[in-house]
Amino acid sequence: KQEVTQIPAALSVPEGENLVLNCSFTDSAIYNLQWFRQDPGKGLTSLLLIQSSQREQTSGRLNASLDKSSGRSTLYIAASQPGDSATYLCASGGSNYKLTFGKGTLLTVNP
Amino acid sequence: NAGVTQTPKFQVLKTGQSMTLQCAQDMNHEYMSWYRQDPGMGLRLIHYSVGAGITDQGEVPNGYNVSRSTTEDFPLRLLSAAPSQTSVYFCASSSWTSGGATGEQFFGPGTRLTVL
Repeated sequence: KQEVTQIPAALSVPEGENLVLNCSFTDSAIYNLQWFRQDPGKGLTSLLLIQSSQREQTSGRLNASLDKSSGRSTLYIAASQPGDSATYLCASGGSNYKLTFGKGTLLTVNP
Repeated sequence: NAGVTQTPKFQVLKTGQSMTLQCAQDMNHEYMSWYRQDPGMGLRLIHYSVGAGITDQGEVPNGYNVSRSTTEDFPLRLLSAAPSQTSVYFCASSSWTSGGATGEQFFGPGTRLTVL
């Protein structure tokens, strides 16, 4: 059974700092890896989707990488802003339409 | 495009009552799913559907029913509400491949349900 872990559970950084969020998964036989953002009381917003054949995806200040062999994905946020404060979740997409979520990292960016 | 919409946003039920949570999407996605999100438990899959007339159970299906009569709609029915079903419910949709993988997932805003 796939298990997805996100460490740390919470992270607090000063504005302007570059940061990395980590996601690890136990079964490397994944089809894709997706990163989401969730604001308090809101739904999940898709940030980046990396297919298993890709190494990374970029959108603005966000860059996500995928290393299937080591079972790891990272989300890099450049020049963090207070508006980036949210919970970030990763999810691995496997066979039989299974999507396995991590429990998320709560990011706080302090002005 | 409205994306994925859910109604109601909030609901309070008494134990034993039944209700239907509505979910609709306008992206012509074949794959739709329901999750519940609880503190410390993360997101757990309740039921999913890969197309009209096709549904299957997820990780925590007990106490819930689904049906899929159209591509756009995927309602979730609580048969006899219990306090353990107090949670936030999210509907999601995506494309899918013949190999059994889903594409980019799009989530609705959620329904916050309290069962007294």
